[in-house]
Amino acid sequence: DAGVIQSPRHEVTEMGQEVTLRCKLISGHNSLFWYRQTMMRGLELLIYFNNNVPIDDSGMPEDRFSAKMPNASFSTLKIQPSEPRDSAVYFCASSRTPNSPLHFGNGTRLTVT
Amino acid sequence: AQKITQTQPGMFVQEKEAVTLDCTYDTSDPSYGLFWYKQPSSGEMIFLIYQGSYDQQNATEGRYSLNFQKARKSANLVISASQLGDSAMYFCAMRVGNNDMRFGAGTRLTVKP
Repeated sequence: DAGVIQSPRHEVTEMGQEVTLRCKLISGHNSLFWYRQTMMRGLELLIYFNNNVPIDDSGMPEDRFSAKMPNASFSTLKIQPSEPRDSAVYFCASSRTPNSPLHFGNGTRLTVT
Repeated sequence: AQKITQTQPGMFVQEKEAVTLDCTYDTSDPSYGLFWYKQPSSGEMIFLIYQGSYDQQNATEGRYSLNFQKARKSANLVISASQLGDSAMYFCAMRVGNNDMRFGAGTRLTVKP
């Protein structure tokens, strides 16, 4: 079990650029969550999927953010255009069942200058 | 609406002593799961312990135990025999059914030698 794999680990970009964060789920897991963590706001849920279907995207800050799950094992979170206030650690997490814990990736630290 | 509250921004404990980290929750759904995670300074999210709403006994995992008081809607984490390596942020989380998982604001625990 390789765990949830996120890439890149660090991303530094300039304001206005497009950023794509990637996440590979654990095999057999059917729920996928994207969180953003900042000192000011803590852990915020951005969006989550069940069986590849987006269930709740009410946490997505604005239209600049989009997330996809093209297959059962992979997801992307895209920010276009990026802004300095998007700087945060972005976590992806997956779970097998509703009663099982979320397994988190190591996160992507995004810095937008 | 589901809500998780951790009222202790920071806690100190002497090495080898026990410490309780508070967590209260609010939901009208009878079926839910409660989770505790540890986030050390390195940033990864580590699952510690799970309690289901229908579980009759309090969950235990090694030095971690969950003091589940359903009527009071509290799910406090008890760490026995604290170690220096327990110094970290601790997050309480709740998942209702197959829905999203929400996290509290966290408690920063510092273990003093």
